[in-house]
Amino acid sequence: DQQVKQNSPSLSVQEGRISILNCDYTNSMFDYFLWYKKYPAEGPTFLISISSIKDKNEDGRFTVFLNKSAKHLSLHIVPSQPGDSAVYFCAASGAVIQGAQKLVFGQGTRLTINP
Amino acid sequence: KAGVTQTPRYLIKTRGQQVTLSCSPISGHRSVSWYQQTPGQGLQFLFEYFSETQRNKGNFPGRFSGRQFSNSRSEMNVSTLELGDSALYLCASSEGQGRLSPLHFGNGTRLTVT
Repeated sequence: DQQVKQNSPSLSVQEGRISILNCDYTNSMFDYFLWYKKYPAEGPTFLISISSIKDKNEDGRFTVFLNKSAKHLSLHIVPSQPGDSAVYFCAASGAVIQGAQKLVFGQGTRLTINP
Repeated sequence: KAGVTQTPRYLIKTRGQQVTLSCSPISGHRSVSWYQQTPGQGLQFLFEYFSETQRNKGNFPGRFSGRQFSNSRSEMNVSTLELGDSALYLCASSEGQGRLSPLHFGNGTRLTVT
């Protein structure tokens, strides 16, 4: 049962344009969402997060939007750069008990930025 | 600070064997989590250790086990290996204070079971 879904396995965008990566979740107990970026032969690195009390969080070229009623979040990258080519994972977590955090990840979307 | 170190980087094992993977967290980090990455499945949570105690567990069979030492280093063991255990195993460390402590991942151990 995939609680976090990234339905697009891959996405190709021209350099300078906007990249939009999408993520859907099914568990209404999730209240914290993150995006990770992964280059080949490296571990994922944290990119940006959003709490369910917000509907938008921005960090430089990266913006995450959360639509709780649709159980949908998206990551916008503007403008897209060649170095953004990587696999992007969406992740979600529910209540944190005594500091324990368990992330549920999506399958990932491979983003390719074309010059 | 040095990052999360996982050893070995690559492993090839035969069905039925057992394997131990190692993870050294970032200095000062007391929480270590393990994830399995397979194509099409994303990253799936195995377990989390904090101060030598398993604090959280995913939905994996008992063949998957782990432990954490007093220096926060962690090992993961898989017994009676199956072909389906072939995957990238990622370790992540954090200070262990929930959302105030982002996960820092290592580069993973690529396990191939033949």
